[in-house]
Amino acid sequence: GDSVTQMEGPVTLSEEAFLTINCTYTATGYPSLFWYVQYPGEGLQLLLKATKADDKGSNKGFEATYRKETTSFHLEKGSVQVSDSAVYFCALFTGTASKLTFGTGTRLQVTL
Amino acid sequence: DAGVIQSPRHEVTEMGQEVTLRCKPISGHNSLFWYRQTMMRGLELLIYFNNNVPIDDSGMPEDRFSAKMPNASFSTLKIQPSEPRDSAVYFCASGLGDLNLYNEQFFGPGTRLTVL
Repeated sequence: GDSVTQMEGPVTLSEEAFLTINCTYTATGYPSLFWYVQYPGEGLQLLLKATKADDKGSNKGFEATYRKETTSFHLEKGSVQVSDSAVYFCALFTGTASKLTFGTGTRLQVTL
Repeated sequence: DAGVIQSPRHEVTEMGQEVTLRCKPISGHNSLFWYRQTMMRGLELLIYFNNNVPIDDSGMPEDRFSAKMPNASFSTLKIQPSEPRDSAVYFCASGLGDLNLYNEQFFGPGTRLTVL
């Protein structure tokens, strides 16, 4: 079945540091890939997406590139801020399952 | 515009009691999802509806859990009887579109359930 594997957290960084959160996937067919973010005390919200190989999703300074050859969708940001502290979820969607499959989430803590 | 509305936001109950969680999706959305989030198991999809019809309930943990969607603007998730291991944050999400195409899911703020 479909699955998403994320790097273990928590990730602790100083403000303005470079961020990478790894995500790899297993899926039948050609999935669409997503990053969702959950701020403290809130529900998840879509951060960015990519629907086909080599697409790059971007939003709020975050980027992720759909790499079919490595089945990966790593999240990056060049300079994190304290306000980026949250839990980040990688997810995929295939028409076969008609539902999102989420990873376990990676907690990011950014300090001054 | 109002987002997904969930009630109550917090619920504390004793083991064996019935618990009902409520969700109002975004107006016009035709898909609705119930998730459970715990530290141990992460985010789990329990059930989802499309056009008020349950499509996949394979994530419902056991017969103590049931979900209904009597109309396009309301859904309930019921646990009867509740157990301490049901303690979690329960999220409702809604989306718009065809079943086999990705539709962005908009999440509610969640209901934090504590079963003593």
